[in-house]
Amino acid sequence: AQSVTQPDIHITVSEGASLELRCNYSYGATPYLFWYVQSPGQGLQLLLKYFSGDTLVQGIKGFEAEFKRSQSSFNLRKPSVHWSDAAEYFCAVGAGNNNDMRFGAGTRLTVKP
Amino acid sequence: GAVVSQHPSWVICKSGTSVKIECRSLDFQATTMFWYRQFPKQSLMLMATSNEGSKATYEQGVEKDKFLINHASLTLSTLTVTSAHPEDSSFYICSGRAAETQYFGPGTRLLVL
Repeated sequence: AQSVTQPDIHITVSEGASLELRCNYSYGATPYLFWYVQSPGQGLQLLLKYFSGDTLVQGIKGFEAEFKRSQSSFNLRKPSVHWSDAAEYFCAVGAGNNNDMRFGAGTRLTVKP
Repeated sequence: GAVVSQHPSWVICKSGTSVKIECRSLDFQATTMFWYRQFPKQSLMLMATSNEGSKATYEQGVEKDKFLINHASLTLSTLTVTSAHPEDSSFYICSGRAAETQYFGPGTRLLVL
């Protein structure tokens, strides 16, 4: 079965600084990979996803992620963080028809003024 | 597109009562919907997978008689927490699957007194 590790529980960055959130997955075949963002008390919003093709995927709100098969990683990046980006970020891996999606533990992002 | 709603957004009930939570896909048909539970500062825990017109598939450790799931149409799934107790207090989130991607509702916060 697939699994996801987000090594960083909490990250603090200054507004305007660049951001990288780490995600490592374990899955035998080509995974379906996702990044979601959750604001306090809210549901999850899809930022971006990777199924196949170009390993650098662009998402909403200026986010991008790169799939690296050799490192089993799917790190999320943003060149310049805005205060409104403060939230919880979840990486997820799905298999096949995506009936079985596994979430990482999440990374909480704090943005300093 | 791919919007999912939940109702109610929050509910307070007395111990022993039953609570129904609705999950609707507003602009797509979801043959499969998922129900998750999220504890504070934790990731999502899949409770069950709901397929339209058939019985839900529950994850190990989730009491199917406690958490009744009905998926009567392609746009509506309901979760009923029967004889709720304080330990059932949590944040419940549903999702609908479209194009191999899960789209999440805003969540329902349940507080059982």
